[in-house]
Amino acid sequence: DVKVTQSSRYLVKRTGEKVFLECVQDMDHENMFWYRQDPGLGLRLIYFSYDVKMKEKGDIPEGYSVSREKKERFSLILESASTNQTSMYLCASSLHSGRDYNEQFFGPGTRLTVL
Amino acid sequence: AQRVTQPEKLLSVFKGAPVELKCNYSYSGSPELFWYVQYSRQRLQLLLRHISRESIKGFTADLNKGETSFHLKKPFAQEEDSAMYYCALSSYGGSQGNLIFGKGTKLSVKP
Repeated sequence: DVKVTQSSRYLVKRTGEKVFLECVQDMDHENMFWYRQDPGLGLRLIYFSYDVKMKEKGDIPEGYSVSREKKERFSLILESASTNQTSMYLCASSLHSGRDYNEQFFGPGTRLTVL
Repeated sequence: AQRVTQPEKLLSVFKGAPVELKCNYSYSGSPELFWYVQYSRQRLQLLLRHISRESIKGFTADLNKGETSFHLKKPFAQEEDSAMYYCALSSYGGSQGNLIFGKGTKLSVKP
């Protein structure tokens, strides 16, 4: 059973702080993704990575960066948190190839509040 | 441009009534489509994908390329079906597993 874990369920930070959101998956998946989920806007892709040390911008990368030093771990970084980054952040992973490669497995989410 | 449209933000039905959650897509290639579901306080999970042609929890979805639709249907809704439903489209030719999600439809099944 695929397990995707996120370091925090709830996080409260102040404007201007540097914020790290961690995601770990235990199924040796090549692909990893970071989304933000907002009511009425659905899921929007921030960044994704299809290999260690590789990263690609998604639809809304501004204000974010990522790091993937190990295959199982994908970190999302808010360099200087702002109130408009208050949101639910979802991490996901998937295989790079094979029959089910498009199925993404999601973590429980981190609800970030920036004051 | 690739796009997924779910026209209803909220759909409310009574238990035992049929339910249809609409999804339309825009994609120039051969699409691969999915329905994901998020129950209250649970993580987002795959419900079904069009290539498997399965019925999951009584739900079915048929890809209609002529109408560019992938509507999710269930003949008799149950209260436990209440959840947030997202339609998703595989993009970039599926080579990297990227998905484009619709904005979601919240299904509320009343007793």
